[in-house]
Amino acid sequence: GAGVSQSPSNKVTEKGKDVELRCDPISGHTALYWYRQSLGQGLEFLIYFQGNSAPDKSGLPSDRFSAERTGGSVSTLTIQRTQQEDSAVYLCASSLDFENEQFFGPGTRLTVL
Amino acid sequence: GIQVEQSPPDLILQEGANSTLRCNFSDSVNNLQWFHQNPWGQLINLFYIPSGTKQNGRLSATTVATERYSLLYISSSQTTDSGVYFCAVQLDMRFGAGTRLTVKP
Repeated sequence: GAGVSQSPSNKVTEKGKDVELRCDPISGHTALYWYRQSLGQGLEFLIYFQGNSAPDKSGLPSDRFSAERTGGSVSTLTIQRTQQEDSAVYLCASSLDFENEQFFGPGTRLTVL
Repeated sequence: GIQVEQSPPDLILQEGANSTLRCNFSDSVNNLQWFHQNPWGQLINLFYIPSGTKQNGRLSATTVATERYSLLYISSSQTTDSGVYFCAVQLDMRFGAGTRLTVKP
């Protein structure tokens, strides 16, 4: 597709379960970013990938969060042992390369019961 | 890290009015973007504007990098302009807290 896509669009899970969120960036974009947006709040940077370099994980809130990017394209954000405070919209963005214009996907709304 | 402040936090306009949104940042940046988050949560790119002035229809933006601020101008506002406007500086992946705009018919 032409834009960034994310799946699922909505995810409801029980506290303590693991979840995986997927992001398909725009074809040819080497940089990929994950953000979190809690209700009524701004965006919180989580992690970014640039090409084959080691990802910048400085924004991950705890060691329950991890992300990988396979083949420089699709990325998966994994949250282990989910907590209620993990409930948020998780947004993915991609750009041609780092410090270039970012384009956002529609987000995944995660609800932890 | 770099601090990004947006003002005003909330803005209510009558349809047809003009407005100016401001974004201040605490350090020099190489990149700055303005986004509109619509009521459905989608972030829509408005401007990629590390410096200078750009215009797109009723919207325009100016970034004065040496003075560490950017302005977003909305003219002849419409109800569809409602939502939250974010500026983001990409040197540190920092977003401001946003300006929530409500345009009343």
